[in-house]
Amino acid sequence: EVQLVESGGGLVQSGGSLRLSCAASGFTLSDHYMDWVRQAPGKGLEWVGRTKNKANSYTIEYAASVKGRFTISRDDSKNSLYLQMNSLKTEDTALYYCVCWIAGAAYWGQGTLVTVSS
Amino acid sequence: DIVMTQSPDSLAVSPGERATINCKSSQTILHSSNNKNYLSWYQQKAGQPPKLLIYWASTRESGVPDRFSGSGSGTDFTLTISSLQAEDVAVYYCQQYYSSPYTFGQGTKLEIK
Repeated sequence: EVQLVESGGGLVQSGGSLRLSCAASGFTLSDHYMDWVRQAPGKGLEWVGRTKNKANSYTIEYAASVKGRFTISRDDSKNSLYLQMNSLKTEDTALYYCVCWIAGAAYWGQGTLVTVSS
Repeated sequence: DIVMTQSPDSLAVSPGERATINCKSSQTILHSSNNKNYLSWYQQKAGQPPKLLIYWASTRESGVPDRFSGSGSGTDFTLTISSLQAEDVAVYYCQQYYSSPYTFGQGTKLEIK
């Protein structure tokens, strides 16, 4: 069974940094694409970024809203995905989800809340 | 960027009746190499993460009741709930995974009439 558990969220001041983690189980991380998706309070879903799998050279893509500030990385030996968030803005306040793609189907974690105060 | 537009924004349907949600992409999300539409449908209940219902536009995820179905191709897609149950109250989202950025529709809020 695919399981994704996010951690690392919290309260941070504007301009600060935070590192989110996603612990994956039930599948081999290196075989699959992984996304970060966020949801601001009361709002819709926003794709943040993706790391492709080993077969696709771990290519990374970012949304324009976070490019240059956020960095996605992965440690396949630990079956873990990370999101390093720098230069945080109040508009980055959201629930951040880790998503795994397996054969066209997306599986979601429960999310971790990031609050950026001014 | 591919823009995903859902309609309606909200919908109230009587129990046992059919609910239909539409999703339109600003360009085709049908991949010519494999003839697959790169579209998913999710259900999000209050306080919960999104749950996958449909992928490849029409493939029902394991465990999803068969009253949920997806259809469409190219740029126009539909999620149909054939006989609405009280537990189907939620916000529904479509997402394209054809090209980056992998955009979502704005969501459709489904309520019981």
